[in-house]
Amino acid sequence: DQQVKQNSPSLSVQEGRISILNCDYTNSMFDYFLWYKKYPAEGPTFLISISSIKDKNEDGRFTVFLNKSAKHLSLHIVPSQPGDSAVYFCAATVTGTASKLTFGTGTRLQVTL
Amino acid sequence: DAGITQSPRHKVTETGTPVTLRCHQTENHRYMYWYRQDPGHGLRLIHYSYGVKDTDKGEVSDGYSVSRSKTEDFLLTLESATSSQTSVYFCAISPGLGYTGELFFGEGSRLTVL
Repeated sequence: DQQVKQNSPSLSVQEGRISILNCDYTNSMFDYFLWYKKYPAEGPTFLISISSIKDKNEDGRFTVFLNKSAKHLSLHIVPSQPGDSAVYFCAATVTGTASKLTFGTGTRLQVTL
Repeated sequence: DAGITQSPRHKVTETGTPVTLRCHQTENHRYMYWYRQDPGHGLRLIHYSYGVKDTDKGEVSDGYSVSRSKTEDFLLTLESATSSQTSVYFCAISPGLGYTGELFFGEGSRLTVL
């Protein structure tokens, strides 16, 4: 049972445009959400997070939106750059549970020139 | 970069042989984790540790055991490797309870079981 779902395996966006990556979750106990970025042959690296008490968190070109009623979050990258080409994982956890993260299956983003 | 070293980085082994992957950290973080990454599954938690000699199972723990005799080292053992354990294994660390934030991941260990 996949508790965190990323239904788009891949996404292609032109440089300078907006990239929108989506994530859905089913476990209503999740109260903290994170996005990780992964390049080939490297470990995932943290990108941005959001607590369930917020509906938006912004960090430079990256913004995460959380819709708790829909159990949906999205990552917006504006403007997209070629260096953003990577696999993006959405993750969720319940605060106080030893930071055990449940990951989605990932979305491969390709930013084209 | 977080001080996390995984070894070996690549390993090919035969079905039925034992395999041990090592994770070493220099951050003195309390929590350590082993995840595996497979196509179509993302990253799945195998085992985690919340202190020396304190470990617990994750969602895909069958066929794996772990040990943590020192704060800095977390070992993942496949007692008898199977082809279904061919995967990329990632170690991660976290300061622990009360810390709501990201895990820091190592670079991964690619294991192939023939």
